[in-house]
Amino acid sequence: ETGVTQSPTHLIKTRGQQVTLRCSSQSGHNTVSWYQQALGQGPQFIFQYYREEENGRGNFPPRFSGLQFPNYSSELNVNALELDDSALYLCASSGMTGELFFGEGSRLTVL
Amino acid sequence: GNSVTQMEGPVTLSEEAFLTINCTYTATGYPSLFWYVQYPGEGLQLLLKATKADDKGSNKGFEATYRKETTSFHLEKGSVQVSDSAVYFCALRPNAGGTSYGKLTFGQGTILTVHP
Repeated sequence: ETGVTQSPTHLIKTRGQQVTLRCSSQSGHNTVSWYQQALGQGPQFIFQYYREEENGRGNFPPRFSGLQFPNYSSELNVNALELDDSALYLCASSGMTGELFFGEGSRLTVL
Repeated sequence: GNSVTQMEGPVTLSEEAFLTINCTYTATGYPSLFWYVQYPGEGLQLLLKATKADDKGSNKGFEATYRKETTSFHLEKGSVQVSDSAVYFCALRPNAGGTSYGKLTFGQGTILTVHP
């Protein structure tokens, strides 16, 4: 079975721009979660999608938004980028067991 | 709200030394507790978990016991190897059924370096 894959692995944006990060879930998983991991910190929960609906959100502003598609892949969109948005963005998928499987992340640098 | 506090790092040990990484939590009810490991350049991997009080999770020589009375889930290993060098994260998940599966609260991480 394939694991969780994320793209792109690295990207650089400037303040005010918008970014889209993508995630392919592990086969058979219908739940996707996104996390932000700032340098030297633990991951922080952004939101979770289950069967294409957002069903949980952490303490992040509305300019962080997402989508989940019928094949359970997902996107994270961030509008009006700020310098503090520079971080590693992690996607995780889970199935019936509830165990999370993480991708290797997309490292975003905002200049 | 929920929170997880890990011991200050980094931790540097010699091979075959005993390892303890402290983790305490604040949460309502009875959360599930986890240790994740992040090797350089890789994503987070589940190391072990415990879902109720007094459960002991174990994997690859690592152990942690869910202590409700002290709200702790300390990670231990009797003899570390160079290959154990990584960042270790303690995390909790509220027990709210399927809707909570992805909603982990992580500690800040502890960097472990093991020298030969």
